[in-house]
Amino acid sequence: QSVLTQPPSASGTPGQRVTISCSGSSSNIGSNYVYWFQQLPGTAPKLLIHTNNQRPSGVPDRFSGSKSGTSASLAISGLRSEDEADYYCAAWDDSLSGLVVFGGGTKLTVL
Amino acid sequence: QLQLQESGPGLVKPSETLSLTCSVSGGSIRRSNYYWGWIRQPPGKGLEWIGSIYHSGSTYYHPSLKSRVTISVDTSKNQFSLKLSSATAADTAVYYCARGGVVVARPEFDPWGQGTLVTVSS
Repeated sequence: QSVLTQPPSASGTPGQRVTISCSGSSSNIGSNYVYWFQQLPGTAPKLLIHTNNQRPSGVPDRFSGSKSGTSASLAISGLRSEDEADYYCAAWDDSLSGLVVFGGGTKLTVL
Repeated sequence: QLQLQESGPGLVKPSETLSLTCSVSGGSIRRSNYYWGWIRQPPGKGLEWIGSIYHSGSTYYHPSLKSRVTISVDTSKNQFSLKLSSATAADTAVYYCARGGVVVARPEFDPWGQGTLVTVSS
């Protein structure tokens, strides 16, 4: 059971816009930045979004992040076949002595 | 550009200590202002943070692993290491090292190593 809750799967057709949600609590998303990672099949995760809504250099502007209260979302517009991957949200959690928490991951299928 | 590479045994016996090293190239751990972290992923499952370290040696560990984990840094070799004692089958996973954020509470892990599969089995 992950601290951050994501839907296990999502899907869309090429060109569509899809969103992936990430639900947390006041001790993590509610009081800290959210990060998103993309993991293509058989590869290491890659940072996709940092500090809620910022894209690292090289990440297409088709990817966007947002946060409201204790929830966050990743949106992918103009869906492409190469976007088929697992997506994870992450945040710092202030509980106990502090720890990094991840969502369980969402497998995105491009139909 | 900055690159990280994990190394260590791919097979560990139950109750023994799992030991991995992350070698950093293209940048200096000592001269950076970043945390460096270990993250693992059991086969077919999601990501789990293990812990992070600063070049000064300051460490943060996942509470559920804290009693078994030691992360250390060797700035002279530009490496940081993970030791996980009393390994069980539940520790079987792909282990990744990654550069973290400028504060531990910013887990903007980037880049990541390619990962190394460690299997705990007799």
